[in-house]
Amino acid sequence: EIVLTQSPGTLSLSPGERATLSCRASQSVSSSYLAWYQQKPGQAPRLLIYGASSRATGIPDRFSGSGSGTDFTLTISRLEPEDFAVYYCQQYGSSPCTFGQGTKLEIK
Amino acid sequence: QVQLVQSGAEVKKPGASVKVSCKASGYTFTSYYMHWVRQAPGQGLEWMGIINPSGGSTSYAQKFQGRVTMTRDTSTSTVYMELSSLRSEDTAVYYCARSPIYWYFDLWGRGTLVTVSS
Repeated sequence: EIVLTQSPGTLSLSPGERATLSCRASQSVSSSYLAWYQQKPGQAPRLLIYGASSRATGIPDRFSGSGSGTDFTLTISRLEPEDFAVYYCQQYGSSPCTFGQGTKLEIK
Repeated sequence: QVQLVQSGAEVKKPGASVKVSCKASGYTFTSYYMHWVRQAPGQGLEWMGIINPSGGSTSYAQKFQGRVTMTRDTSTSTVYMELSSLRSEDTAVYYCARSPIYWYFDLWGRGTLVTVSS
């Protein structure tokens, strides 16, 4: 199965700053079948990005995804207070689909 | 509105089974796949398996083969996940999540906490 490694484990930033989160796959993710989710405490994950770069319905344009092959990035252009959460990447190009271990984005 | 409503929290003893339900509403039940994903306390997300509500076919993660059964009832737009031979490591929040043909999850239930304790 494909192992996804997210970095950093924790990212400390201030509102208004730019956040760059990384997701690296142990083998190439076919057709860029990679998604990003946001999870806040006590809540279910929320889909942000699918197909590596397509924003899900209702997701603000400050969220963007990029990458292909084994290296993917989620960028939040200007952090809002509600963006501080845990972010997971997921590959669905091969079965079983797998998740990264998460990046916690915390307020500095 | 479009939503997935899951059954309530469960407490089970080791060796027992648990059956969690997930009722879909607001969309055509048979037009999307349904998955189960679990999250142990303070941990990440783990995919357990998929059911196609249209025909009932299933596919399970190897880790859960032989212990998990996913079923559906099209008359009530409900899917079920039953996990047997429970052990303490199965303590987790269990989510149902919808996907289109590509397996990204665009709609999630609120989760069901299953606690396994003697």
